[in-house]
Amino acid sequence: DTVLTQSPALAVSPGERVTISCRASESVSTLMHWYQQKPGQQPTLLIYLASNLESGVPARFSGSGSGTDFTLTIDPVEADDTATYYCQQSWNDPTFGGGTKLELK
Amino acid sequence: EVQLVESGGGLVQPGRSMKLSCAASGFTFSNYGMAWVRQAPTKGLEWVATISYDGSSTYYRDSVKGRFTISRDNAKSTLYLQMNSLRSEDTATYYCTRIAAISTPFDYWGQGVMVTVSS
Repeated sequence: DTVLTQSPALAVSPGERVTISCRASESVSTLMHWYQQKPGQQPTLLIYLASNLESGVPARFSGSGSGTDFTLTIDPVEADDTATYYCQQSWNDPTFGGGTKLELK
Repeated sequence: EVQLVESGGGLVQPGRSMKLSCAASGFTFSNYGMAWVRQAPTKGLEWVATISYDGSSTYYRDSVKGRFTISRDNAKSTLYLQMNSLRSEDTATYYCTRIAAISTPFDYWGQGVMVTVSS
């Protein structure tokens, strides 16, 4: 299985720029996707194929990367962005990163 | 509006069986692959199984192979997950998800159904 590694938590102030990283144990090309999960809710798709913004997602969210290193950027961060963010690869059997919990100061 | 509504969860004893259902609406169900993703309490997300748009291909994570069966009824726009020989480690919220095709993201998620395996 392809292992995806994310930092467990981040704390930022509203209005700041935040980058959330995801590293894959092997190349997944651009078959990387990002999800947001707010407490008590189901995940929602933010970014697909590394850098494509899902319809209806604010342009404050963006994604980049290819191969083994990927980044989700939120700029500027808003209070409503408090959530856990997961990366997921679809190069082979789907796997998810452990999630990055974003907290606002 | 795409809607995925899971049902069939609850408390079950280890070794017993349970069948989950997911009623889909708001899109042409027979054009899309579908998948189940689970999340153990306070844990991360874990893919369980995928089925192609026509049901001809199925894929499972190793830990559920031989125990779980994913299936679909396109006439009823419904996805299923038959879970046999349940273990405590299967305790989780199970999400029904939609995929455009194999290797594409899970673009819509249901609200989830809780399955608790305990004696």
